[in-house]
Amino acid sequence: DQQVKQNSPSLSVQEGRISILNCDYTNSMFDYFLWYKKYPAEGPTFLISISSIKDKNEDGRFTVFLNKSAKHLSLHIVPSQPGDSAVYFCAASSYNQGGKLIFGQGTELSVKP
Amino acid sequence: KAGVTQTPRYLIKTRGQQVTLSCSPISGHRSVSWYQQTPGQGLQFLFEYFSETQRNKGNFPGRFSGRQFSNSRSEMNVSTLELGDSALYLCASSLMGAFGNTIYFGEGSWLTVV
Repeated sequence: DQQVKQNSPSLSVQEGRISILNCDYTNSMFDYFLWYKKYPAEGPTFLISISSIKDKNEDGRFTVFLNKSAKHLSLHIVPSQPGDSAVYFCAASSYNQGGKLIFGQGTELSVKP
Repeated sequence: KAGVTQTPRYLIKTRGQQVTLSCSPISGHRSVSWYQQTPGQGLQFLFEYFSETQRNKGNFPGRFSGRQFSNSRSEMNVSTLELGDSALYLCASSLMGAFGNTIYFGEGSWLTVV
C-alpha cells in the first residue's frame, strides 16, 4: 500500500522556467511533509518542509504548497537551474510516529540549458 | 558542524554472512533512523531509535536489527544475508523526530551481497 505517491517518474524542464513536482498521499494522519533532493550514490539532501497547519512555505527558489483536502502537495522551483537536475523525493510523517518518514518513489528532474 | 557519518561506505558480503553498519548522528541529535533504498522498492523505513530505545519499526524481517548507544551513535545488523539485501542503507538523524524538525541523512553504506 503506497501511502505516498509521486506519479511522475521523470520531468524535463528548460533552464529558467518553473519546475513543478507533485506528490499525493492517502493517510490523513500525516501532518508533516518534507522534500529531499538526491544524487546517485549520495544521501538525500533536505530542501524544504511544511506542516499541516500551513498551506505554503517558501525558501529561496523553493516553495511547497499543501492542499490538505486533496491530500496533495507540490514543490515549485523557480527559476530552474541545471544544478537542480536530480531525483526529488517527498516524504510524510505524523506527530506520533517520531522520526519515521514514508517516502514517495521519487521524480527525476532534468533541467536543460 | 559535522553531518551524519556512516561507515563503511562500501562493502561486499557473501550470502549467509552477517553485516554491521555504523552511524554517528549530528551532535545533539537523539533520534536516529535507518532506511533501505533499492531500485524496486524505493526508500523504505527500517527502524528508529530515540534515547537508546527502539521507537518505531518498519516491515522488515527479524534478520534486521539495530541498537543505539548512550552517545546516540547507532548500529544496524543484518544476519543471514540474502541476495535481496543488496541495497543502499541510509542513516538519518534529527533532534527529536520528524515533526517540526529537519531530518538529515548520511551518505549511506552500499551493501552488495554475492
